[in-house]
Amino acid sequence: EIVLTQSPGTLSLSPGERATLSCRASQSVSSTYLAWYQHKPGQAPRLLIYGTSNRATGIPDRFSGSGSGTDFTLTISRLESEDFAVYYCQQCGSSPITFGQGTRLEIK
Amino acid sequence: EVQLVDSGGGVVRPGGSLRLSCAASGFTFDDYGMSWVRQVPGKGLEWVSGINWNGGSTDYIDSVKGRFTISRDNAKNSLYLQMNSLRAEDTALYYCARVDTGYNWNDGALGYWGQGTLVTVSS
Repeated sequence: EIVLTQSPGTLSLSPGERATLSCRASQSVSSTYLAWYQHKPGQAPRLLIYGTSNRATGIPDRFSGSGSGTDFTLTISRLESEDFAVYYCQQCGSSPITFGQGTRLEIK
Repeated sequence: EVQLVDSGGGVVRPGGSLRLSCAASGFTFDDYGMSWVRQVPGKGLEWVSGINWNGGSTDYIDSVKGRFTISRDNAKNSLYLQMNSLRAEDTALYYCARVDTGYNWNDGALGYWGQGTLVTVSS
C-alpha cells in the first residue's frame, strides 16, 4: 500500500497569502494518478487537481499542482476566504487507492 | 448535471448488516467506474471499495474484505455497498464517488461525489 504523508498538518495563514501544501508518497506515484481535493464541513469533497497539475472544471487558476515521483505540491497563490478547508492528496495508480491524512488550512 | 444521491445509512448493532445505495443521474452510468469512500467522524478520507463499469472487477481495502460487497445495476443507474458483520470501527459517513473519466474505479481522480450517508455501528 502506498502511504501518503501530508505536511504540515495545520497551516495558519491570512487571506491574500500564498499556501504551499506538501504530499510525500512512500513509493513512486505516476503523475497521471495523483490528485488533490478540498473538503469543507457538511459538504462532499471537491476535486481540485488531477494528474498532478491539471485543474478540474471550474477550479480557479490560483490553485496549481506540481511534483513527480514521491513529492507533490498544491499551491494556492493568493488565499481567499472560501479556501480555508481541509485538503487531501490521493493516489489511484496502485491498489488500494489511498489518501493522505489531510492538511487543515485555517485563517490566522 | 451529474448527481449522486447516497442513501441507506442508519444505526446498526455490531455484527449487523446494512445496504447502502447510490442513485446516479445526469451521465451515462455504465461508462464509468465507481467507488465508495468513507470518513470516520473527525478523521480523514478512506477509500473503501471500487467497481468497474460492468461490475466484472472489484477491489476493497483489507479491513472490509470478506465483509463488504460492492455491486452495481446499470439498468437502474445504481451503485450498492452491502455491509455485513459490521464493527464499531466501520462507523463513518460513506460517500459514493464517480471516477472523473474511465471505465475502471482507478482510471483517475474522483470527479463527482454524493452527499454521504451516515453509518453508525453501536450497541
